[in-house]
Amino acid sequence: GDSVTQMEGPVTLSEEAFLTINCTYTATGYPSLFWYVQYPGEGLQLLLKATKADDKGSNKGFEATYRKETTSFHLEKGSVQVSDSAVYFCALVSGGYNKLIFGAGTRLAVHP
Amino acid sequence: DVKVTQSSRYLVKRTGEKVFLECVQDMDHENMFWYRQDPGLGLRLIYFSYDVKMKEKGDIPEGYSVSREKKERFSLILESASTNQTSMYLCASRETGVVGNTIYFGEGSWLTVV
Repeated sequence: GDSVTQMEGPVTLSEEAFLTINCTYTATGYPSLFWYVQYPGEGLQLLLKATKADDKGSNKGFEATYRKETTSFHLEKGSVQVSDSAVYFCALVSGGYNKLIFGAGTRLAVHP
Repeated sequence: DVKVTQSSRYLVKRTGEKVFLECVQDMDHENMFWYRQDPGLGLRLIYFSYDVKMKEKGDIPEGYSVSREKKERFSLILESASTNQTSMYLCASRETGVVGNTIYFGEGSWLTVV
C-alpha cells in the first residue's frame, strides 16, 4: 500500500543553521504531497504542499520540491529559528476518498 | 478562518467506560476524519466519513466506532475504553472536488485511560 518514510529524529540544530528533513514516498498514481507542522500542545497545521511533479511548495521560509523520479519531498529551510522547534510530518493524499497518509514525524529542536 | 473544534482537550477515563470524543467543523466540508497520534508511529487513521451517515474504516478501527448524524459533527466512540487507547486523538475535515485540497485539523484530544 501507499506509505511515507521520514528521517528519524530528533534533529537538533543551532539557530541560523540549514535544515533538511528527508521524506520519501510509495504510491500508485500521482499523489499530492504535504508537510504539516505540530507545535507543542497543538494540532497539525499545513506548512506547504505540492500537487504535481516538479512543483515547489513554500511557506515561512520552508521549501519542498515534488520529485517524482526519486519519489521524494524533502523539507528545507535556509536558516532556522528557535520558533521553528516542532514536529514535522510528511504526508500524501491517496485513494478514492483522498485519505491522508502520514510519516512518523520528525522532531526538530533549535537552540539559540 | 477555517475552524475544527474538538470539545475536550484533556480527558481521564477508567477502563471499561464508554467515551465520546466530539468534533465540529464550520466549513461545510463533506469529508471528516479521526486519527490517533502515538510517538514513533505518526498519525494513524481510525475512521473517516465522506458524507452524513456515511463512514469507512481506516487502518485501526478496532475498539472504535463513529457517528455522523449532521454534516458539521463527527463523533468518535470508544465502546469500552482500554489502557492501550491512551493517546492523542485528532479530528480533521476537508472539502471534496479539488485536487490536493487541504485537510484541516483540530487541536487534539488527549485521552488517558486508567
